[in-house]
Amino acid sequence: NAGVMQNPRHLVRRRGQEARLRCSPMKGHSHVYWYRQLPEEGLKFMVYLQKENIIDESGMPKERFSAEFPKEGPSILRIQQVVRGDSAAYFCASSPKGTSSYEQYFGPGTRLTVT
Amino acid sequence: AQRVTQPEKLLSVFKGAPVELKCNYSYSGSPELFWYVQYSRQRLQLLLRHISRESIKGFTADLNKGETSFHLKKPFAQEEDSAMYYCALKNAGGTSYGKLTFGQGTILTVHP
Repeated sequence: NAGVMQNPRHLVRRRGQEARLRCSPMKGHSHVYWYRQLPEEGLKFMVYLQKENIIDESGMPKERFSAEFPKEGPSILRIQQVVRGDSAAYFCASSPKGTSSYEQYFGPGTRLTVT
Repeated sequence: AQRVTQPEKLLSVFKGAPVELKCNYSYSGSPELFWYVQYSRQRLQLLLRHISRESIKGFTADLNKGETSFHLKKPFAQEEDSAMYYCALKNAGGTSYGKLTFGQGTILTVHP
């Protein structure tokens, strides 16, 4: 099992462009969490998804950010019209189920730089 | 709202010395707490969870509900313990099962 995969590992975008971050959960995991780590801060929860469903998006900025986890393929975190303040490390984690009984396994993260 | 606080951004000790990484939390329900570790150039990984009451790599952490703390301790630090450590609280209720709230992290450096 290769573990949680994220790509790209580094992404550079100019202000106003779109950023697409991908997360492939571990085999057999149907629950994905996205976290953002701004410079000098801890990881902050953004969104929790199951296959084809957004369960909790309470941590997502209201505009420009969206996430999906289709039936087939990776989970995608999409940021439209990026701004400098979006520069951060974005981590996803997966678990087999979304209950407190299961550990979350983290990917290596995508470092987004907005120039 | 739930919150996790790690008051020390940086912590330096010498090899063989005891180490304690502090973590305090606020949560209205019954908390489930974890310590995660990130070694250099590696991904974040679970170190230990309070419900397991286990010792991993010589580390232990006791949940103190009275003081709302979950400090991580090791009696004799090793150089390979140098890493970033995050304390995290899991939301175990409602529709947010599994959502983690992280502290800001503590960078531990163990000097030879």
